Amino acid sequence: GAGVSQSPRYKVAKRGQDVALRCDPISGHVSLFWYQQALGQGPEFLTYFQNEAQLDKSGLPSDRFFAERPEGSVSTLKIQRTQQEDSAVYLCASSLMGQIIYEQYFGPGTRLTVT
Amino acid sequence: DAKTTQPPSMDCAEGRAANLPCNHSTISGNEYVYWYRQIHSQGPQYIIHGLKNNETNEMASLIITEDRKSSTLILPHATLRDTAVYYCIVSLFGNEKLTFGTGTRLTIIP
Repeated sequence: GAGVSQSPRYKVAKRGQDVALRCDPISGHVSLFWYQQALGQGPEFLTYFQNEAQLDKSGLPSDRFFAERPEGSVSTLKIQRTQQEDSAVYLCASSLMGQIIYEQYFGPGTRLTVT
Repeated sequence: DAKTTQPPSMDCAEGRAANLPCNHSTISGNEYVYWYRQIHSQGPQYIIHGLKNNETNEMASLIITEDRKSSTLILPHATLRDTAVYYCIVSLFGNEKLTFGTGTRLTIIP
């Protein structure tokens, strides 16, 4: 079946531009996660949704980062006024169960380069 | 979540068993050990998890020491496709956050 998809796969933005990254989770998956992965590092947690509710946004690095999942399916991560330090791969993951999570399914990521 | 320590890199010959160690000496009684791997240019992929008993699935085996302070992931017959970064993660079951660390870069040598 279809896995988690993300678009675009690559995004180049000039410093100061706004970007929007899209995640299509596996159909029926209740939980959705965003991670940020800098070059040579492991992924770092950004935020978590259960259906449309954003239950944890403790990992968002600044108020320039905003995520939403209005209908409990597709999610968008928006970064306003991008900075060079925002350059990273942004990974989305989904999981079937809302309460018991042991396997997260990851998308291929969006590589953001801020110039 | 407890901290984990993994060697930064390992090599293994194709067809041999790859044994990836992980230390988690501060693990608490209700924390699980999870393993994920990340092949180049892909998102991480779940491999296996366990609490205190050894576990096996179609991908790998997980051996957890009796004191739970360390574990080993075993890929029984490594192939070139197993070349990846392997992450050992300790977390409460049901915790929505995964804390990845820097992992072990495993290279399978033909």
